Amino acid sequence: GAVVSQHPSRVICKSGTSVKIECRSLDFQATTMFWYRQFPKQSLMLMATSNEGSKATYEQGVEKDKFLINHASLTLSTLTVTSAHPEDSSFYICSARDHSGGAYNEQFFGPGTRLTVL
Amino acid sequence: DAKTTQPTSMDCAEGRAANLPCNHSTISGNEYVYWYRQIHSQGPQYIIHGLKNNETNEMASLIITEDRKSSTLILPHATLRDTAVYYCIVRVAGYNTDKLIFGTGTRLQVFP
Repeated sequence: GAVVSQHPSRVICKSGTSVKIECRSLDFQATTMFWYRQFPKQSLMLMATSNEGSKATYEQGVEKDKFLINHASLTLSTLTVTSAHPEDSSFYICSARDHSGGAYNEQFFGPGTRLTVL
Repeated sequence: DAKTTQPTSMDCAEGRAANLPCNHSTISGNEYVYWYRQIHSQGPQYIIHGLKNNETNEMASLIITEDRKSSTLILPHATLRDTAVYYCIVRVAGYNTDKLIFGTGTRLQVFP
């Protein structure tokens, strides 16, 4: 299947700093990418849908000014957690969908980024 | 909200078939059933999807009931590496309807 990478795989930062997470589709172009958050022993929660060249669409309850998403190219989306606090500590996962094969392709997920805010 | 219900956990002996059920009684005619799994601290991995016909690939088989209100994922010969959380998701396939809404999933434990 297609490969999606994330960088960094884990990051530790101080409270109040901003952290950028990158999501790349390595062997396909992704018009749409998705960002999820997962707290320990919980399921994945969709945060936002990222469309190349346009503004992201955020799910209800997700602060768009805190979680900045940029999808400037067909292979890269970034999530910036601004002014991070300990409650933002979580496992952040991106996914991407290859539209080239039609409307029925599955989403491919990245390996995730574990964020710890001290 | 997720439109599927799954048992919280299941056990399976190594080498035996693992049958994971999923109820999706409110599924619409244009919604597909997708299965993903997540091994601890990794991103979800696509397994299989189907609309109404049974499907099989190198990883698993998907059996969908005739009324499409439930389905079963079958891992024919479970191994220890199949221990994971398995998610059943219904989704409309389309360019503008990409969302995958994850429920709580089934935690499958394969034992020796």
